[in-house]
Amino acid sequence: DGGITQSPKYLFRKEGQNVTLSCEQNLNHDAMYWYRQDPGQGLRLIYYSQIVNDFQKGDIAEGYSVSREKKESFPLTVTSAQKNPTAFYLCASSPRQGNSYEQYFGPGTRLTVT
Amino acid sequence: GQQLNQSPQSMFIQEGEDVSMNCTSSSIFNTWLWYKQEPGEGPVLLIALYKAGELTSNGRLTAQFGITRKDSFLNISASIPSDVGIYFCAGQLSGAQKLVFGQGTRLTINP
Repeated sequence: DGGITQSPKYLFRKEGQNVTLSCEQNLNHDAMYWYRQDPGQGLRLIYYSQIVNDFQKGDIAEGYSVSREKKESFPLTVTSAQKNPTAFYLCASSPRQGNSYEQYFGPGTRLTVT
Repeated sequence: GQQLNQSPQSMFIQEGEDVSMNCTSSSIFNTWLWYKQEPGEGPVLLIALYKAGELTSNGRLTAQFGITRKDSFLNISASIPSDVGIYFCAGQLSGAQKLVFGQGTRLTINP
């Protein structure tokens, strides 16, 4: 089946530790995105990548880092510099063909930092 | 950053009623998308709109791309319990590489 995989579904970390969230897609999509969602809130863009080995900061990139070494993978690292890391993290991908800006989301990872 | 004003923020309706929600902006968009998110899950794309005035249906859902290109509307007819969730609009500005999302409309249905 084609789709976007995020693992794990739930992640617990101690304050001060870096943690990496996985995002893999087998849709052959060029673009990938990371969003953060807080309770009762909309989606805020953290980082996005239009092509392998290239990525851009979104609206709330501070305290986060990403890499795009493979087309299929776009891992997000939440560093200890992120002041309020507990949130629901969503990865998305988009074919970016022609006029299509449709984004398709993974199931999300809920990160809890204590 | 850019803002999309989505309303209403929440709706409490009876099963069988029709639902309407909308997104507006002061900017012109090239694409409008509507998503549904259920608790603890990622948003699912419902409808994509690419031309001003376009009206597209997906089952009981109908969405329209506003003529001014600054707004979009989503209607759900004859609501059923599984329609419960949060509905998000998203728009793509001309030349932009990313989407702008609305704050969501939380739909609750009383059986």
